[in-house]
Amino acid sequence: QMLMQESGPGLVKPSDTLSLTCTVSGAYINNGRSYWGWIRQPPGKGLEWIGSIFYTGSTYYKPSLKSRVTMSVDTSTNQFSVKLSSVTAADTALYYCARQGYCTGGNCHQYGWAFDVWGQGTVVTVSS
Amino acid sequence: SYELPQPPSVSVSPGQTANITCSGDNLRNKYLSWYQQRPGQSPVLLIYQDNKRPSGIPERFSGSNSGNTATLAISGTQAMDEAVYYCQAWDSSTVVFGGGTKLTVL
Repeated sequence: QMLMQESGPGLVKPSDTLSLTCTVSGAYINNGRSYWGWIRQPPGKGLEWIGSIFYTGSTYYKPSLKSRVTMSVDTSTNQFSVKLSSVTAADTALYYCARQGYCTGGNCHQYGWAFDVWGQGTVVTVSS
Repeated sequence: SYELPQPPSVSVSPGQTANITCSGDNLRNKYLSWYQQRPGQSPVLLIYQDNKRPSGIPERFSGSNSGNTATLAISGTQAMDEAVYYCQAWDSSTVVFGGGTKLTVL
């Protein structure tokens, strides 16, 4: 059974950098059949995609967050991470990591561009 | 930027069919997915590529995509189906989520 677990500080000061790591178990990040994504959910609001990364380091980021987001992957530890710089109160949210399939050349892996396995989420509060 | 408007809320009686819509330009080519999120839980993938169900998802969940409107249909709605439902598309190398629809089973 595949599991994903987010970890990182629950409290970040304004203007600092938020850093989170997702540990994957039950599957290898470098299997070539998945992207690995970050999604967040502000309190009482909907889902917002942050970005996705392939094991090679290839990334897609939400355009409005691109200037502040950096994602990385460590295949030796089967983890991937996200850093979000210059945070404000608007970045307070429940942060999820999730596995994402993809499609290329008419062929789709896993479930296309959908997120089929999610972590339980970790709450990050931006406050001084 | 691409948007996926959803109705904020939908109500349905137990045993009836609930239809939740998601709108967008040229939605047919966007690899449309649907998720269910119960309170305090992580989202669960219900439908991918417009109308396909992952293993373990009951047949009473179905999806369709007419081009500019996608629909998630839940037949024989049960109290346990009360949740927020999100559509999600892949557009121009980005993921877009709809705003979510809260389904109330009256």
